[in-house]
Amino acid sequence: QQQVRQSPQSLTVWEGETAILNCSYENSAFDYFPWYQQFPGEGPALLISILSVSDKKEDGRFTIFFNKREKKLSLHIADSQPGDSATYFCAARGQGGRALIFGTGTTVSVSP
Amino acid sequence: DAGVTQTPRHEVAEKGQTIILKCEPVSGHNDLFWYRQTKIQGLELLSYFRSKSLMEDGGAFKDRFKAEMLNSSFSTLKIQPTEPKDSAVYLCASRRSGTPYEQYFGPGTRLTVL
Repeated sequence: QQQVRQSPQSLTVWEGETAILNCSYENSAFDYFPWYQQFPGEGPALLISILSVSDKKEDGRFTIFFNKREKKLSLHIADSQPGDSATYFCAARGQGGRALIFGTGTTVSVSP
Repeated sequence: DAGVTQTPRHEVAEKGQTIILKCEPVSGHNDLFWYRQTKIQGLELLSYFRSKSLMEDGGAFKDRFKAEMLNSSFSTLKIQPTEPKDSAVYLCASRRSGTPYEQYFGPGTRLTVL
């Protein structure tokens, strides 16, 4: 059972465009949602995260929009750069400090 | 501080062999995780330890997969016996206990079972 879903599976954008990555979840007990960025041959690295008490989190060109009622969130990458080409994972964690549950990832390619 | 260390980076095994993957967490982190990563399934939790106590395990992985915390700074993942479907990247991660501390990942071990 996939508790965290991501779409699209892959995405290609031109340099300078905004990439939008979607994530949805099933468990209303989830309260912490990090996004991880992974380059080939490396482990995932935390990019940005949000708690369920917030509806928006910004960090430079990266913004999370969170809709608790619909159990959906999205990651917007503004002014996309070729160096942003990577796989992005949405994750979620329930209360009590449990292990993160990951989506299957979205692979982003930014064309110059 | 050094990051999460995993060895070996690559492992090739024959079907039926026993393999042991190793992980050293970030110093001071008392939560340690093992994940399996494949393109189809993404990251699947194998085990989660807090201060050497097993907190969660991936139910589907119990029979041939065994993770242990030998001490607070060293963990192993044993797969016995290996099967071709075990071919994947195995990731170790650690974090300080409590929410919502960042979970740091190692570079992974790529396992190929022939």
